[in-house]
Amino acid sequence: SQKIEQNSEALNIQEGKTATLTCNYTNYSPAYLQWYRQDPGRGPVFLLLIRENEKEKRKERLKVTFDTTLKQSLFHITASQPADSATYLCALDRDTGGFKTIFGAGTRLFVKA
Amino acid sequence: DADVTQTPRNRITKTGKRIMLECSQTKGHDRMYWYRQDPGLGLRLIYYSFDVKDINKGEISDGYSVSRQAQAKFSLSLESAIPNQTALYFCATSDPGLGRDTQYFGPGTRLTVL
Repeated sequence: SQKIEQNSEALNIQEGKTATLTCNYTNYSPAYLQWYRQDPGRGPVFLLLIRENEKEKRKERLKVTFDTTLKQSLFHITASQPADSATYLCALDRDTGGFKTIFGAGTRLFVKA
Repeated sequence: DADVTQTPRNRITKTGKRIMLECSQTKGHDRMYWYRQDPGLGLRLIYYSFDVKDINKGEISDGYSVSRQAQAKFSLSLESAIPNQTALYFCATSDPGLGRDTQYFGPGTRLTVL
């Protein structure tokens, strides 16, 4: 069955460092992959999308890579700040008829001042 | 004002009661979704609707029903609530017109079934 795995353990890093979160998937051929941010008690908010033919996408301090051979995406936050503390979800979509978005369970990030 | 709103934001009810959660959106999107979120399990799709006349079951639809009253309104009902339906519920919308299906979530409804 199709599966998305994100590190269930929280990631703790020091302010100013680069945070790297991982999203692995199996039995899936996504047309694109998205990353969302979720703060406690709130709905996820879209951050970045990367398509299967793209290797890397950047937005300000955020960078996403997508390796369809390894079936993995990495999400980087450079110069991290305490305000970056949140849960980050990855989601994969199949570019075929019908709905098929699968969300990972998310990784909690804590950035210490 | 928020683009996707949900009411109520919090609800405590008892086993066997009928509950309705409501979702409204001003984004003008045709697609709407209901998810539940449980710790460690991530978001799981309950129902989705691609337009007013289209309703589809998601991966965990048992015990739930939905109604798409208009393009802007999509409600979720628990006909007879049970404790394992205690969760955080999210409504979302999307517009695939840009070649992607980015979802826009409401603030969530925290439901507790005693």
